[in-house]
Amino acid sequence: ETGVTQTPRHLVMGMTNKKSLKCEQHLGHNAMYWYKQSAKKPLELMFVYNFKEQTENNSVPSRFSPECPNSSHLFLHLHTLQPEDSALYLCASSQAQGTGSGYTFGSGTRLTVV
Amino acid sequence: EDQVTQSPEALRLQEGESSSLNCSYTVSGLRGLFWYRQDPGKGPEFLFTLYSAGEEKEKERLKATLTKKESFLHITAPKPEDSATYLCAVQGLFQTGANNLFFGTGTRLTVIP
Repeated sequence: ETGVTQTPRHLVMGMTNKKSLKCEQHLGHNAMYWYKQSAKKPLELMFVYNFKEQTENNSVPSRFSPECPNSSHLFLHLHTLQPEDSALYLCASSQAQGTGSGYTFGSGTRLTVV
Repeated sequence: EDQVTQSPEALRLQEGESSSLNCSYTVSGLRGLFWYRQDPGKGPEFLFTLYSAGEEKEKERLKATLTKKESFLHITAPKPEDSATYLCAVQGLFQTGANNLFFGTGTRLTVIP
């Protein structure tokens, strides 16, 4: 399998639940990203990992917790979310930071918080 | 502060009616400008990278151009399958996180048969 794969594609969770989003890339990239996409807003960068090390946390609430066990896998752990957290969550990967390369995106996880 | 503005927000074209989408940007040193296509319920799909003013890239009915302040995505004789949201993003030389892309809100294109 090639490209960036995200699971699950859809997720409905209650405000007290704990769930995780998974992202896997088979492109040999060393940087991975989580973005949030809400209607009529630009993609919002949440977290950046470069060679498994978190290099950026863009003031994201602590109810979102990222994990990057290796350069191919990225997780986003969710707990006690709010309805305004409902959005499309996109994972992306690229060559290591500083190379000026574009991103390859996954298809996203559509999250609904009820 | 780095900023990307896309216009129009939405565009409806008849099949075969050529037009252009605009991406205006301000960035403290441009490392690259990127165009993506996004279909409903899917992640953005990479189209082009432009690095310097005067550069042009083409792919099928799409052509991207770049000046020092803006980029255009020209669509020639569009077909219904070109309907999608087109996103523009910039990558600055001096922003923290040297690979970070900053996106515009996109132009939603609808091509009517």
